[in-house]
Amino acid sequence: QKEVEQDPGPLSVPEGAIVSLNCTYSNSAFQYFMWYRQYSRKGPELLMYTYSSGNKEDGRFTAQVDKSSKYISLFIRDSQPSDSATYLCAMSQGGTSYDKVIFGPGTSLSVIP
Amino acid sequence: DVKVTQSSRYLVKRTGEKVFLECVQDMDHENMFWYRQDPGLGLRLIYFSYDVKMKEKGDIPEGYSVSREKKERFSLILESASTNQTSMYLCASSQRDRANYGYTFGSGTRLTVV
Repeated sequence: QKEVEQDPGPLSVPEGAIVSLNCTYSNSAFQYFMWYRQYSRKGPELLMYTYSSGNKEDGRFTAQVDKSSKYISLFIRDSQPSDSATYLCAMSQGGTSYDKVIFGPGTSLSVIP
Repeated sequence: DVKVTQSSRYLVKRTGEKVFLECVQDMDHENMFWYRQDPGLGLRLIYFSYDVKMKEKGDIPEGYSVSREKKERFSLILESASTNQTSMYLCASSQRDRANYGYTFGSGTRLTVV
């Protein structure tokens, strides 16, 4: 079993839809949870991060962590064509100046106008 | 605008060649990383460095080496390129105290080994 799993997609939705992107993980020691967005032919950029369980909202984006289920989600409200990208979840244990970050394989999202 | 700059967007090299991939960051970050990204496998860590002249192996260091002589520059070296090293290579950096959640990535170098 991979340490972090993510539905690879591709996911195609109409403009304005609510999008749910999900990751599951196996290591219960993970404490930091991140979402990166990667446009075609670009490097990933950090969208949001959360520490431990709970929700975090930033504009149209909401990150949700359920440590009891080892499950994290990114919700995108009122999706726009500019949201078309690959979304990578990432997580780490934390606690040291460097701790290995594990990335999911990414979910490709297309928002159709 | 702060950034991580990778010297080449696309490279084509022959099997057996020694290949240098260069990465420069202008954010005074302590930590720097090299990843490769392959479809279905995600990002895999090759090497990282948390200080000048320091380096640590990641998950897939075989066939690679690195050099960090200056804080802003981190080089990835393919000692003898092979076709299974055809991939997208991504450099990233972070502040020491944001290592867990604050990576800035470059745009990547797509390397093809023929």
